[in-house]
Amino acid sequence: AQTVTQSQPEMSVQEAETVTLSCTYDTSESDYYLFWYKQPPSRQMILVIRQEAYKQQNATENRFSVNFQKAAKSFSLKISDSQLGDAAMYFCAYRGGIQGAQKLVFGQGTRLTINP
Amino acid sequence: NAGVTQTPKFRILKIGQSMTLQCTQDMNHNYMYWYRQDPGMGLKLIYYSVGAGITDKGEVPNGYNVSRSTTEDFPLRLELAAPSQTSVYFCASSYGKASYEQYFGPGTRLTVT
Repeated sequence: AQTVTQSQPEMSVQEAETVTLSCTYDTSESDYYLFWYKQPPSRQMILVIRQEAYKQQNATENRFSVNFQKAAKSFSLKISDSQLGDAAMYFCAYRGGIQGAQKLVFGQGTRLTINP
Repeated sequence: NAGVTQTPKFRILKIGQSMTLQCTQDMNHNYMYWYRQDPGMGLKLIYYSVGAGITDKGEVPNGYNVSRSTTEDFPLRLELAAPSQTSVYFCASSYGKASYEQYFGPGTRLTVT
């Protein structure tokens, strides 16, 4: 079974600075997808960024980017120019490839605090 | 477009009571999921469905049942509620293709006392 591990229960960063959240995963599949979700106090799960395992290029969405190291099974999220609205729980998630039911496996989460 | 809707938003149950958490999506998604999120933890899959009439167990199915009679609805039934079922419950849906994301509902906070 696939597992996802987030080793940083909490992180904090000064507003406008850069922060990196870590995620490692374990799988025997070659075709899969990785995600970062943001969960603000409202509880809503918001997709931040997605990475397809077959793509070598790291995904980028505005101030959010990932460092995807397939051989090391590492998938970190970098937030640049941190803003107060970035404060939330961040979850790393894994999903298998085309076959199967597309189930998500989540890490334990990292609580990100932004200091003004 | 309402997306994924869940009712109720909050509920308090007594031990041994039963209830149904409702989930509806209006995006014509084939795949639907139920997750639970315990305090300070990530989401864990309870049950999922790949289409009307087809359901299967996830990681933590004990104490729950589901049905999928229509594409739109995927209710989660709790029988004989226990304190261990105190959690936030999320319903999600997707097209089922590999590249498509899952869309989440706003969650139901359930307390069993």
